[in-house]
Amino acid sequence: EDQVTQSPEALRLQEGESSSLNCSYTVSGLRGLFWYRQDPGKGPEFLFTLYSAGEEKEKERLKATLTKKESFLHITAPKPEDSATYLCAVGKETSGSRLTFGEGTQLTVNP
Amino acid sequence: DTGVSQNPRHKITKRGQNVTFRCDPISEHNRLYWYRQTLGQGPEFLTYFQNEAQLEKSRLLSDRFSAERPKGSFSTLEIQRTEQGDSAMYLCASSLAQRGYNEQFFGPGTRLTVL
Repeated sequence: EDQVTQSPEALRLQEGESSSLNCSYTVSGLRGLFWYRQDPGKGPEFLFTLYSAGEEKEKERLKATLTKKESFLHITAPKPEDSATYLCAVGKETSGSRLTFGEGTQLTVNP
Repeated sequence: DTGVSQNPRHKITKRGQNVTFRCDPISEHNRLYWYRQTLGQGPEFLTYFQNEAQLEKSRLLSDRFSAERPKGSFSTLEIQRTEQGDSAMYLCASSLAQRGYNEQFFGPGTRLTVL
């Protein structure tokens, strides 16, 4: 059965304290792994797509990496405005256009 | 702003009533998706359209739910005889199929509360 698991469920950091969020997946025929940011009461905001193991993408303080079994979202020197829930999702070759999401990691960055 | 828009943003209804939500996708996008999200969970896929054709429906989409996308533009999601378990955030997303991969862009969602 396909699974997307994110850890930790919640993470509290001090401003400037770097860390990583994990997304583990067990799907066959991965077509893409997606990271989204979601603020309370709003829709998910697209961050990155990763297509193959070894691929990396960066945006400001965020860097996403992908292996054959998991993806990491590295946050370097976070600021309070990085506080949000970060969602990971996978697309499969055999599942049409649907995305399967993990439950998210709720990140809080304290000043 | 040419992002995905959804209306209404909030809907409170009584159990047993029908509700309808609207989604306007990014103008050049030909794929439109509906997801449902409950508190503390990630979005769950409901259905998607390519142009006006509904190509896939989740098992979550019971016969009380119906979605349409007339003329391949905006979409509506109707829930008949609402139940308290339907309370959730209903999210719409759109993408451009020609890009080949599902970079889906989400709207702000419609929060449904069933009393």
